[in-house]
Amino acid sequence: AQSVTQPDIHITVSEGASLELRCNYSYGATPYLFWYVQSPGQGLQLLLKYFSGDTLVQGIKGFEAEFKRSQSSFNLRKPSVHWSDAAEYFCAVGALGSNTGKLIFGQGTTLQVKP
Amino acid sequence: GAVVSQHPSWVICKSGTSVKIECRSLDFQATTMFWYRQFPKQSLMLMATSNEGSKATYEQGVEKDKFLINHASLTLSTLTVTSAHPEDSSFYICSARGSSNTGELFFGEGSRLTVL
Repeated sequence: AQSVTQPDIHITVSEGASLELRCNYSYGATPYLFWYVQSPGQGLQLLLKYFSGDTLVQGIKGFEAEFKRSQSSFNLRKPSVHWSDAAEYFCAVGALGSNTGKLIFGQGTTLQVKP
Repeated sequence: GAVVSQHPSWVICKSGTSVKIECRSLDFQATTMFWYRQFPKQSLMLMATSNEGSKATYEQGVEKDKFLINHASLTLSTLTVTSAHPEDSSFYICSARGSSNTGELFFGEGSRLTVL
C-alpha cells in the first residue's frame, strides 16, 4: 500500500539550531516527493520537490531535502532555523501521468521554535 | 507563480443547510483540481479529483451525494456540502494542477466550515 510516514509529530528546536524532519514512504512506482509547509489556518506552500536527477534538492526559505532510495526517505533539513519557520510541515508522495496531483500526505510534523 | 483562490475562507451554517465552496485558478487553466479535507491537527485527506467537463472521481469512503463537485470551466471547481451536519465541520482545501506535466500542485488558502 502507498503511504507516507512522518515519525515525529512534534519537534521543538531553538532558533538558530539545525533542523531535520523525517519522511519515509512506501510507493510502488518511482515516487515524486514533495515537502509542503502550512501556517495555522492557511493553505499549503510548496517548499521543494523531487522528480529526478540530483538527489539533494534545494527549496525556498533555505530548506533542502535529500532523496535516499535505499532508505525510502526524503528528509527535510535546514541549517539554521528562524522563528518564522514555526509551522506544520507535510511530506507527500505522488506520481506523474494520469494520477498527477493525487498526492498522499504524511501525518505532518509540527515545528515549534524556541527563542 | 500560479495562484489558486478559495472562497469563502470561512463559513458558519446551520445544520441541514448546504454550503458551496469555490476554488479558482487565477492565472492559469486547471484541467484537474483536487479537494482535500483536513481535520484539526491532522493531515490532508484527498476527497475527490475534479476534471473539467466530466464527473468527479471520489475516493473510497467519500459520499458523492453529500459532497457535490462541479468543474464547469478550466478555472473554477466548486464543492457543495449538502445537508451539512456538525461532523462535516472541517478545513477544506483545494489544489489545482496546470497543463504542464510537472506534477506540482498549487493549493488554495483553504475554507473553514463550521456547522452548528
